[in-house]
Amino acid sequence: GAVVSQHPSRVICKSGTSVKIECRSLDFQATTMFWYRQFPKQSLMLMATSNEGSKATYEQGVEKDKFLINHASLTLSTLTVTSAHPEDSSFYICSARRQGQINQPQHFGDGTRLSIL
Amino acid sequence: AQKITQTQPGMFVQEKEAVTLDCTYDTSDPSYGLFWYKQPSSGEMIFLIYQGSYDQQNATEGRYSLNFQKARKSANLVISASQLGDSAMYFCAIAIGTSYGKLTFGQGTILTVHP
Repeated sequence: GAVVSQHPSRVICKSGTSVKIECRSLDFQATTMFWYRQFPKQSLMLMATSNEGSKATYEQGVEKDKFLINHASLTLSTLTVTSAHPEDSSFYICSARRQGQINQPQHFGDGTRLSIL
Repeated sequence: AQKITQTQPGMFVQEKEAVTLDCTYDTSDPSYGLFWYKQPSSGEMIFLIYQGSYDQQNATEGRYSLNFQKARKSANLVISASQLGDSAMYFCAIAIGTSYGKLTFGQGTILTVHP
């Protein structure tokens, strides 16, 4: 079964709306989670690293005031797209990894398709 | 910085045949992990197989095997006995260091399995 849950799976909203996306690790604690963005038929691009109890680390070119990340607990990270515009329409997907064994893969949520009208 | 290259935008294979998806990487870090993920049209990312930089043997997971050639910096995915359900986008990814944190993905390869 799923080990990372992402909600909502799809959002359609008007331009100017802020949208919050949740990412939960279901049966393990994740001090670090990752947020990716994927445009159609393209690869996943890392947006930011979400760190529990501290500020997120953003990749170059990603506006931290536009994409607010909060990682308030060991099982929950949220991404808020503030004042969303049509160019923010994309597939957003989070991931988390079990700590411990060195070969543990990142587990991904099912993604959120965001459409801004 | 690390880099992953997948040079095959699309691949076609007949059902029950084997197919190889290419992946080359570039990093100066001696410790890294290589991952393959499958992404169906529904969007979820499904982990397939992992290869560590210090692993002596090629990784295998059921019908998936990884042809790891360290000197050539390649980590090709081999899918044996292709099934119609294998049709999807496939991504190769690398993570640096012992923490194996953030992933850098290749461009992806769309695999289509014909009956």
